[in-house]
Amino acid sequence: GAVVSQHPSWVICKSGTSVKIECRSLDFQATTMFWYRQFPKQSLMLMATSNEGSKATYEQGVEKDKFLINHASLTLSTLTVTSAHPEDSSFYICSAKIGNEQYFGPGTRLTVT
Amino acid sequence: GQSLEQPSEVTAVEGAIVQINCTYQTSGFYGLSWYQQHDGGAPTFLSYNALDGLEETGRFSSFLSRSKGYSYLLLKELQMKDSASYFCAWGGGADGLTFGKGTHLIIQP
Repeated sequence: GAVVSQHPSWVICKSGTSVKIECRSLDFQATTMFWYRQFPKQSLMLMATSNEGSKATYEQGVEKDKFLINHASLTLSTLTVTSAHPEDSSFYICSAKIGNEQYFGPGTRLTVT
Repeated sequence: GQSLEQPSEVTAVEGAIVQINCTYQTSGFYGLSWYQQHDGGAPTFLSYNALDGLEETGRFSSFLSRSKGYSYLLLKELQMKDSASYFCAWGGGADGLTFGKGTHLIIQP
């Protein structure tokens, strides 16, 4: 099946710094990728839709200036959490869609101290 | 808007059959999916229903009734490794998924 990778798998950063998370489709091209966030014991929440070659589409309540998304190629989307704060600590997961199935990356656990 | 409701927790016995229900309300409909997620892991796709009826894949089956806004996931011959969270999710087209709150399945030996 299709494989999606994420890097890093976990990261610890200090409050006020920025963190970049990469999402790659390894064996297929993805014009659209999705970014989700999951807090402990909660469900996944869609943050934004990443479109290759154009601006991302953000869900209501997600700050586009804080969560910068770049989809520079058909196999790579990046999410940058700018000026991170402890409340941004979460599990960030990307996915790419083929047909009716979404393939998820392994996730990135961000801890902001 | 859209909402998906699931029980927060279900307990079953190893080797048995368990059903996890999902009721939904949406303004449109593109299909309903089920995903499994182990602690600390990524969701993995289990099944998808676009039309009414039953879809079977190995030990997993999913049923959909669009008129009732209802779906269920059926797991047969339960194994300890099936202990996980199960999410129903709505979505389609070019949109991402809207997930239910998830059902934590506890399997007892």
